[in-house]
Amino acid sequence: DAKTTQPNSMESNEEEPVHLPCNHSTISGTDYIHWYRQLPSQGPEYVIHGLTSNVNNRMASLAIAEDRKSSTLILHRATLRDAAVYYCILSRMDSNYQLIWGAGTKLIIKP
Amino acid sequence: DSGVTQTPKHLITATGQRVTLRCSPRSGDLSVYWYQQSLDQGLQFLIQYYNGEERAKGNILERFSAQQFPDLHSELNLSSLELGDSALYFCASSVTYNEQFFGPGTRLTVL
Repeated sequence: DAKTTQPNSMESNEEEPVHLPCNHSTISGTDYIHWYRQLPSQGPEYVIHGLTSNVNNRMASLAIAEDRKSSTLILHRATLRDAAVYYCILSRMDSNYQLIWGAGTKLIIKP
Repeated sequence: DSGVTQTPKHLITATGQRVTLRCSPRSGDLSVYWYQQSLDQGLQFLIQYYNGEERAKGNILERFSAQQFPDLHSELNLSSLELGDSALYFCASSVTYNEQFFGPGTRLTVL
């Protein structure tokens, strides 16, 4: 299974941009990159996904390196409600796109 | 609210017992996934059903089984319960592989 590496935790100030890094050096050409987040005492929530190109949606942006060995989730203006564990996950076509979850990054937002 | 419902919210039982967890997917979603999350850990994929058929299997123990019914709701059966089975169990549903919608989870405590 392709693995991802994320920092255990990060801190950011409220209303500032947050860049959450993810390394996936063993990614293969057909692996999708997904980001989910899990707020305290809740189920995970989809944030964004991409394959090769950078992606934007109402929640965040996903910047994918040209060699696809790393990606960055960008929260443009963090609020206290963005405090959560953020998971960077690869899914593989030959595994039926199963999501293989790592430990994630705990994002702490300081007011 | 993701639109995915899970019952019960909490379940306390004894070792050796059998329990059934229930999941109702979002309207129109044909895929249902089950995940286990032990204390302060990431999610472990257990099993996926698509329109009543098993589609993918993850780290699901032989003591665990699942099924998806014609109305698309799904049940996860856990038998011969052990202390280590205490965890949060999440159900998710999706239309596409790329965005899963998670329920609030069932917290299982085995005493």
